[in-house]
Amino acid sequence: KQEVTQIPAALSVPEGENLVLNCSFTDSAIYNLQWFRQDPGKGLTSLLLIQSSQREQTSGRLNASLDKSSGRSTLYIAASQPGDSATYLCAVGGGSYIPTFGRGTSLIVHP
Amino acid sequence: EPEVTQTPSHQVTQMGQEVILRCVPISNHLYFYWYRQILGQKVEFLVSFYNNEISEKSEIFDDQFSVERPDGSNFTLKIRSTKLEDSAMYFCASNLGPTEQYFGPGTRLTVT
Repeated sequence: KQEVTQIPAALSVPEGENLVLNCSFTDSAIYNLQWFRQDPGKGLTSLLLIQSSQREQTSGRLNASLDKSSGRSTLYIAASQPGDSATYLCAVGGGSYIPTFGRGTSLIVHP
Repeated sequence: EPEVTQTPSHQVTQMGQEVILRCVPISNHLYFYWYRQILGQKVEFLVSFYNNEISEKSEIFDDQFSVERPDGSNFTLKIRSTKLEDSAMYFCASNLGPTEQYFGPGTRLTVT
């Protein structure tokens, strides 16, 4: 059974810092990996999707990498802003495309 | 930009009552999903639906749950006899296939 772990559980940084959120998974036989953002009491907003054959994806200030062999993905956020404050979820898609979610990293960016 | 919508945003019900949560997936999507998130816990997969039938379901999705696509646009989740532990956010999602999933804003279900 796939297990997804996200470290750290919480992070508080000053505005402008570059930061890295980590996601690890136990079963490397994945189909894809998706990073989401969740604001308090709200739904999930898809940030980046990496297919298993890809190594990374970029969107604006976000860059996600995938290393299937070591069971790791990182989400890099450049020049963080207070508006980036949210919970970031990693979801690993298995053979049936059903994602397994991590608990998330709660990020606070303070001015 | 097309989006997944869900109604109601908040539903309060008494234990033992039936509830129906409604979703309108993105119109050209083919795969539909329900997830739940108990407060403070992980998002958990409940069921996936394709070609008018369930394609996958988790152990959470027992006989108390059912899904339906009653017409060409709606996708519903029914809980027949709600329990206190069914209190959670319920998210609907859709996609075209093995691609990124698009989530709705969720329905907060409170069972008293």
